[in-house]
Amino acid sequence: SYVLTQPPSVSVAPGKTASISCGGQKFASKTVHWYQQKPGQAPVLVVYGDSDRPSGIPERFSGSNSGNTATLSVSRVEAGDEADYYCQVWDSRSDHWLFGGGTKLTVL
Amino acid sequence: QVHLVESGGGVVQPGRSLRLSCAASGFTFGAYALHWVRQSPGKGLEWVAVISYDGKNKFYGDTVKGRFTISRDNSQNSLDLQMNSLGAEDTAVYFCVKDSSLLWFGGHMEVWGKGTTVTVSS
Repeated sequence: SYVLTQPPSVSVAPGKTASISCGGQKFASKTVHWYQQKPGQAPVLVVYGDSDRPSGIPERFSGSNSGNTATLSVSRVEAGDEADYYCQVWDSRSDHWLFGGGTKLTVL
Repeated sequence: QVHLVESGGGVVQPGRSLRLSCAASGFTFGAYALHWVRQSPGKGLEWVAVISYDGKNKFYGDTVKGRFTISRDNSQNSLDLQMNSLGAEDTAVYFCVKDSSLLWFGGHMEVWGKGTTVTVSS
């Protein structure tokens, strides 16, 4: 079955750029979405369609997808960005929706 | 503004059944697919099931297929999840989620409810 691989944790200093990867086979043929989840809260969509941002999401959040890896980048990181981040795709061959294991972003 | 409010969670014994519901407002309910996604304590997100805008197509995650049934009532703007043969591994917060695709599915998970907690324990 299709698997999405994320690093368990990423640490970054305030003001720097955090990059969170999401790996999968033949990723270029799939559309990747990213969700932010803070403790005790429901997930929130931060990037969809590989690189688009919903209204209300800061421009500091951006996404890319190339080859077998998608990346969520958070520039000028703030303390409030500390959260778990999940990538997600729809596997149309199996009609399954898949999440990566999640990455905990820690702001140092 | 889109609102999704889950209900029906609680403590249930292993092997028993439970039915979750989701009340929706703020959008044309009958035009969008809806998902259930769950999160076990301290774990990541797991997709559970999806139902198409018209209720004709339903797909399930491998861990719940054959035990859970998703359904919707477009006249009542409501989504349900019937959960049978529950086990400890089903203990989780269950989220109701609106898909972004109009009259189809396969889009992103656009709006999430706050979730309802299911605990399976004797």
